[in-house]
Amino acid sequence: DSGVTQTPKHLITATGQRVTLRCSPRSGDLSVYWYQQSLDQGLQFLIQYYNGEERAKGNILERFSAQQFPDLHSELNLSSLELGDSALYFCASSFRDSPYNEQFFGPGTRLTVL
Amino acid sequence: EDKVVQSPLSLVVHEGDTVTLNCSYEVTNFRSLLWYKQEKKAPTFLFMLTSSGIEKKSGRLSSILDKKELSSILNITATQTGDSAIYLCAVEFDQAGTALIFGKGTTLSVSS
Repeated sequence: DSGVTQTPKHLITATGQRVTLRCSPRSGDLSVYWYQQSLDQGLQFLIQYYNGEERAKGNILERFSAQQFPDLHSELNLSSLELGDSALYFCASSFRDSPYNEQFFGPGTRLTVL
Repeated sequence: EDKVVQSPLSLVVHEGDTVTLNCSYEVTNFRSLLWYKQEKKAPTFLFMLTSSGIEKKSGRLSSILDKKELSSILNITATQTGDSAIYLCAVEFDQAGTALIFGKGTTLSVSS
């Protein structure tokens, strides 16, 4: 158990819908990262927040957005869902704002878009 | 285009064998290279290599960064069935803030 929690574990929804994935980092970690893992694309970095502020952006679609709240938990919002958005979404946390130190991954949320 | 390429894509070995996994990268403003192990669930961190730390070792696992060749290898000696997993290589680089790009992974299967 990494100490990073993600909810829900599984999510099944329809195309065009909007969903919110939630992540609570390890106690004391200030940085949260979101990743998408699909069979064909592998693990893709989406976005990073550090202490409430956006720090870095990867391959995040405009239909996706994220935020980190004062209590440091983070939410990833996915809207206008498409079949291709079906994937495993991981959240990771670290103490600092760089992967120069270890990132701890949560168990993931499996999203299925029908 | 920034990219990270891992090879081989998959590998099947017998217990006790030694394996070498490869990772090559093309990024601007390289910062660090990381190795992760992913079993059925989330990736777990193995090593981080930077310009100031180009070789790491932990038990039967070791990794070397070759900044000239823009590559890294992950060695696993005396493999065990518990080493069966997907091994992911990721590179951190500066892109208006830090960014991280992963390779597609090497799937290692160790048979008894």
